[in-house]
Amino acid sequence: QKEVEQNSGPLSVPEGAIASLNCTYSDRGSQSFFWYRQYSGKSPELIMFIYSNGDKEDGRFTAQLNKASQYVSLLIRDSQPSDSATYLCAVIPNYGQNFVFGPGTRLSVLP
Amino acid sequence: EAGVTQSPTHLIKTRGQQATLRCSPISGHTSVYWYQQALGLGLQFLLWYDEGEERNRGNFPPRFSGRQFPNYSSELNVNALELEDSALYLCASSPRLLSSYEQYFGPGTRLTVT
Repeated sequence: QKEVEQNSGPLSVPEGAIASLNCTYSDRGSQSFFWYRQYSGKSPELIMFIYSNGDKEDGRFTAQLNKASQYVSLLIRDSQPSDSATYLCAVIPNYGQNFVFGPGTRLSVLP
Repeated sequence: EAGVTQSPTHLIKTRGQQATLRCSPISGHTSVYWYQQALGLGLQFLLWYDEGEERNRGNFPPRFSGRQFPNYSSELNVNALELEDSALYLCASSPRLLSSYEQYFGPGTRLTVT
């Protein structure tokens, strides 16, 4: 059974702080990793994807991938109340297969 | 560029009836995925269509079925509706070109079974 795990939260951080969201996966052959943001009652919105080990930065967001340790993380710098949402980690276990989503981490940014 | 569209936005059905949900992918995307998200729960993979063929299905009974049309739009059918089928049904599309696998979601169809 291929699994993706995330802490359900809620993770609470003060406005302006760095929010760190973590995701671990069980399939060592996984190649592609994605972070989605989902506001309550809305559909998931793609934030970032990462395919190679290391860091990938896009604005206030940084994705970090460590394939040896089988984890991927998302850092949100200068967190804003509008960042309050559920963050979903998704993994493609092998090329050509469908996504496996984690259960999501609920982030609350306190003004 | 227009995003993924889904219709209807809301659908109310009675137990035992059939529901049909529709999805139009982003122009140029050939893959369509269907997910179920029950209230407070995570995304559960239902079906994946690519180039008109079913490529994979999740752990759902056969009364969940669908198809993909030549223009890559897709339809999800749920037969013999049960109360626990009440959920947000999300469609996503993907270009699946070379190394591009990211999925983009539509706004969803909220199905309520009474």
